[in-house]
Amino acid sequence: AQSVTQLDSQVPVFEEAPVELRCNYSSSVSVYLFWYVQYPNQGLQLLLKYLSGSTLVKGINGFEAEFNKSQTSFHLRKPSVHISDTAEYFCAVSATFYSSASKIIFGSGTRLSIRP
Amino acid sequence: EPEVTQTPSHQVTQMGQEVILRCVPISNHLYFYWYRQILGQKVEFLVSFYNNEISEKSEIFDDQFSVERPDGSNFTLKIRSTKLEDSAMYFCASTRPTLYGGAEDTQYFGPGTRLTVL
Repeated sequence: AQSVTQLDSQVPVFEEAPVELRCNYSSSVSVYLFWYVQYPNQGLQLLLKYLSGSTLVKGINGFEAEFNKSQTSFHLRKPSVHISDTAEYFCAVSATFYSSASKIIFGSGTRLSIRP
Repeated sequence: EPEVTQTPSHQVTQMGQEVILRCVPISNHLYFYWYRQILGQKVEFLVSFYNNEISEKSEIFDDQFSVERPDGSNFTLKIRSTKLEDSAMYFCASTRPTLYGGAEDTQYFGPGTRLTVL
């Protein structure tokens, strides 16, 4: 079974400050890793994903995440946030079996609030 | 760019009533999923569907729930007798098959249907 832990339920930051949203996962099988964003009253949008290869992945809106296998972490970062980044961010994993992805397991989410 | 659509955007129903939530996945996708998000909580997997069969279901997906692909484009979630605790946002998702026939890694989510059970 897989599980995802997002250590911070809320992260307030000032505009133009850097931010890191933390995510740890556990799994007994290989997984794909994802970050999704949910803007107020909207659906889920994929920010970025890690499948294999380079451990640093870049996504949309200037976000990036680093996969650390030894620490089983996949933290999300942005060097300078904007008011429009205010949203809920979900870390997620999907087990892989013979190159086929399975259901997505989501973390509990981190609410990012940007102060002017 | 093609996207997953869901109808209605908001459904209000009385406890004990049946509801059907509708989804139109992206046209060349063959794997379909339902997830739900109770207000303030995380998104939870309900069921996956492939080749007209349920591939996997969670503990939440009990006998009150069913899924169907009634035609070549729609994918529906039916709740036979709604309970107060079924109030949630329900998301449909779909993905393509890989070259090897498995499910591709990226699932595309619809905007959700907010179900309110009174």
